[in-house]
Amino acid sequence: KAGVTQTPRYLIKTRGQQVTLSCSPISGHRSVSWYQQTPGQGLQFLFEYFSETQRNKGNFPGRFSGRQFSNSRSEMNVSTLELGDSALYLCASSISGSHRETQYFGPGTRLLVL
Amino acid sequence: AQKVTQAQTEISVVEKEDVTLDCVYETRDTTYYLFWYKQPPSGELVFLIRRNSFDEQNEISGRYSWNFQKSTSSFNFTIKASQVVDSAVYFCALSEALSFGNEKLTFGTGTRLTIIP
Repeated sequence: KAGVTQTPRYLIKTRGQQVTLSCSPISGHRSVSWYQQTPGQGLQFLFEYFSETQRNKGNFPGRFSGRQFSNSRSEMNVSTLELGDSALYLCASSISGSHRETQYFGPGTRLLVL
Repeated sequence: AQKVTQAQTEISVVEKEDVTLDCVYETRDTTYYLFWYKQPPSGELVFLIRRNSFDEQNEISGRYSWNFQKSTSSFNFTIKASQVVDSAVYFCALSEALSFGNEKLTFGTGTRLTIIP
């Protein structure tokens, strides 16, 4: 089975721009979660989608948004980029998002904001 | 609130030595799951092991073993006969069902393990 894939792997943007990251979950997985990883804050939960609905959201400003499509693929968008948004963005998938399940992670998208 | 503490920021050991990574967690729930993930320089988080709160049996899987003790809220991870390829950042994580639709992983700050050839 193919693992979680994320595109693009690397991105360089400037302040004020917006960016869209994509995540394709493992086949059969319907829950997709997004995390931001920075040296200062570590791994922080952004949001989780299941069946095209956002079920859970972390403590991030409204500039961070996402969506999920009917094939479970997910995108996250960051508008009006700030320098502090430079991070590794990780996507994870699981079958239904239950806390009993293991989340499997993709390789991440490294975003650099200049 | 969930909290996961990995007090060891960095560890270095010589190849073939055993190394134990510590993890202490806090939760009010009686049903929860604990995980260990490995993050090599490539960035991807690789799942290693999972343990639920009802099963304190400690196991060994290849060179990996873990010690789960609810009495001390600890979930330590041991790598035996370490290899250079084990060099990575290791994360302990806690998952609990706060409520329906409010389930997420809380990660510790990670332990950077360096295996010296």
